[in-house]
Amino acid sequence: DQQVKQNSPSLSVQEGRISILNCDYTNSMFDYFLWYKKYPAEGPTFLISISSIKDKNEDGRFTVFLNKSAKHLSLHIVPSQPGDSAVYFCAASGGGGADGLTFGKGTHLIIQP
Amino acid sequence: DAGVIQSPRHEVTEMGQEVTLRCKPISGHDYLFWYRQTMMRGLELLIYFNNNVPIDDSGMPEDRFSAKMPNASFSTLKIQPSEPRDSAVYFCASSLGTGVYGNTIYFGEGSWLTVV
Repeated sequence: DQQVKQNSPSLSVQEGRISILNCDYTNSMFDYFLWYKKYPAEGPTFLISISSIKDKNEDGRFTVFLNKSAKHLSLHIVPSQPGDSAVYFCAASGGGGADGLTFGKGTHLIIQP
Repeated sequence: DAGVIQSPRHEVTEMGQEVTLRCKPISGHDYLFWYRQTMMRGLELLIYFNNNVPIDDSGMPEDRFSAKMPNASFSTLKIQPSEPRDSAVYFCASSLGTGVYGNTIYFGEGSWLTVV
């Protein structure tokens, strides 16, 4: 039973265009959301996060949007660059405690020249 | 500053054998997590420790899996006996604090396990 769902296993985007990665969650107790980026043969690395009290957080080319009513968040990358090609994991945490993170299955983003 | 260090990076073993994966967290971090990555299930939290004490092991698949953290700088994940379905990448991660609300979780490079 996946509580964090990334329904697109892969996404191909042209360099310079916008990449939009989507994530849905089912647990209404989740109150903090994160995106991690993973290159092959490396561990995931933290990219950006958002608290449930916000609906948008921006960091350079990366923006995360949160729609609590729809239990949906998205990561926008603009403009997309070749180095953005990686697997992106959506993660969520809730309850205010140290319960680790619940991850989605990931979306493989491919930036085409 | 060294990150989370895992060993071995790659392990191929025969079904029924014991497998031990090792992790050295970032110095000073008080939380340590073990995750498993598979194509089917993505990244799953297996167990996590706070100050060397196991807090939640509800993600451990079955009794064949066990994890220990004898001190603040070392943890092991053991599978005995191993089965082909245990083949996956196992990640160790550590954080200062809960890992959320601004406390980033740092992952190691992973241990690639293949059970044949």
